Formats: sequence, structure tokens, C-alpha cells
Amino acid sequence: QVQLQQWGAGLLKPSETLSLTCAASGGSFSGYFWTWIRQPPGKGLEWIGEINHRGSTNYSPSLNSRVTISVATSKNEFSLKLNSVTAADTAVYYCARCSFEGPTTSWFFDLWGPGTLVAVSS
Amino acid sequence: DIQMTQSPSSLSASVGDRISITCRASQSISTYLNWYQQKPGKAPKVLIYAASSLHSGVPSRFRGSGSGTDFTLTISSLQPDDFATYYCQQSYRTPRTFGLGTKVEIK
Repeated sequence: QVQLQQWGAGLLKPSETLSLTCAASGGSFSGYFWTWIRQPPGKGLEWIGEINHRGSTNYSPSLNSRVTISVATSKNEFSLKLNSVTAADTAVYYCARCSFEGPTTSWFFDLWGPGTLVAVSS
Repeated sequence: DIQMTQSPSSLSASVGDRISITCRASQSISTYLNWYQQKPGKAPKVLIYAASSLHSGVPSRFRGSGSGTDFTLTISSLQPDDFATYYCQQSYRTPRTFGLGTKVEIK
């Protein structure tokens, strides 16, 4: 059974760098997009970006200047760095696996980590 | 970015009711539309992918329909476990945007 475990600092000061890592255990690491999604308290879901096992990335335009997603294929891990954080970056951050099914190659998030609450406060 | 608009933002219903949630995309996305269920304090779970395909293990009372810009999630007979927030999400192109969610509450 494939599982995602995630970890990283939960309390940051403004201007610091958010750093989270997610590890996939129990299955293949290739053939998927590995994704970061966040959810501010009481609000909806925001897609941050994704990476595949070859290191090809896509980022949200609204965060593109501050975000870096990297992959360590040998360890089945991928990481998120978000620099210059502010209170607006306070959220639960989820890692997720983006899989595809069917002849139309429809992508969807079929596996999620438990989430990490990251709070930004001075 | 493709904007996803869900309605209603919340609804109250009783066990056994049939409910529908709609999602509209700001441009045509064919059938690249997914639905998720999220309960408080938990990660979302996929219910429907490709607009109408039921994900493995999801009860058949959940049904997705639509194509182009207009989509619907229908729960045929609401069960106690179904009270949650539901999100649509497009996978036509990145950024993979979500709707703002529909909270289904007990009447």
C-alpha cells in the first residue's frame, strides 16, 4: 500500500524559507506527478506545483517567483521550498500524487499525505 | 489560469436526500474534471475523475456528469458519512485549479 509521509518546520517567522519534504513508500515513483497543495485555515485548496521523477516541474504562476520543488528519486522523496514567507502563507500543506487513468490521460490526485500545518508569525 | 466556480457554496440536506453540486469552468476543459470530498482535519479524497469515472472504492451513489464548461456531482441518497466539503478540480492544464468548495451540512 503506497503511503505518503511528510515533514518539515511548522512555525516560521516572516521572510524565512518554508521547507517541507514528502516521501512515497510502497510503490513506484515514476509515471506520476508529485504535487504540493496548500489550504489556508477555513479556506479552499490551492495547487502550488508539481514535479515528475525526471525533475520536470510546473509551478503556480502566483507563487512561481518564490517556490522551488525538487526530487530525490533514489529516496522516493520530493521537497518544497517557499521563500520570503508572510502570514498569507499560513496553511496546511499537503503533498499528493497526481496519477492518470483512461484513454484521455485524465490526471487526478489519488494519494495524499496527512498534511503539515505551517504557521508564519513574528 | 482556468477559474472553477462551484455552486452552491453550502447546502443543508437530510439523510436520504438527493443533492447536486455544480461546477463551471471559465473555458472548455473537455472532461478533465475531478471531484474530491474533504472532512474536517483530513486530506481530500478523490471521488470522481474524468468528469464521470468513479474512483476505486467510491460508493455508486456518487455520480459525476458534464463536459466542456459545466459539470455536476450528484449524490443519489445522502448518507451520514457524506456530510463534508466537496471540491471540483480541473486537470486540463496547469495550474491545476480547484473550485472554492461546497459544504454539505445536516439539516
